[in-house]
Amino acid sequence: SQQGEEDPQALSIQEGENATMNCSYKTSINNLQWYRQNSGRGLVHLILIRSNEREKHSGRLRVTLDTSKKSSSLLITASRAADTASYFCAFSVIQGAQKLVFGQGTRLTINP
Amino acid sequence: KAGVTQTPRYLIKTRGQQVTLSCSPISGHRSVSWYQQTPGQGLQFLFEYFSETQRNKGNFPGRFSGRQFSNSRSEMNVSTLELGDSALYLCASSLRFEGYGYTFGSGTRLTVV
Repeated sequence: SQQGEEDPQALSIQEGENATMNCSYKTSINNLQWYRQNSGRGLVHLILIRSNEREKHSGRLRVTLDTSKKSSSLLITASRAADTASYFCAFSVIQGAQKLVFGQGTRLTINP
Repeated sequence: KAGVTQTPRYLIKTRGQQVTLSCSPISGHRSVSWYQQTPGQGLQFLFEYFSETQRNKGNFPGRFSGRQFSNSRSEMNVSTLELGDSALYLCASSLRFEGYGYTFGSGTRLTVV
């Protein structure tokens, strides 16, 4: 299966702590993206990292990509209650097809 | 600029009926993709349209179809609805250049009874 795998499936931390989510995949990719979803609404694009990049930052977000291990991680620093959501990794596969393959997601809960 | 607009937001249909969902992409985005989200299967790719042509299709039965109009607006249709078709259907638009993310709409919540 091309589907990505994420861990943990659920994560609960205190406000102000850092949250780390991991994603693994099995195929060759063009890029890997992270999305956030609040309560079954639409997905919000957070960050995209290309296959030739190793690390990328956006505000409190830091994404790493290790293509040799076919894995990525998303770090949210200094978490806030508003960060409570589900986070999905999605990768764009190499094979000419323009589609995203999503992981199962990590449910992040930030406790005040 | 306006985001991706999906209509309707909620829909309740009976088994055997058909349904049409609509998606208006961000202005200038010519690629529209559709995804189905369920608690059991997660986010599954349905199909992608670009310049009114279906470019890619996921592993869904032929009851699921779609089309794209010259203004890039897209519709997806599900015929002969089954209970298992109950899901959140998400539309996403993009520039279809590698390195660009997707912008998703808020989705249409379809319930089949």
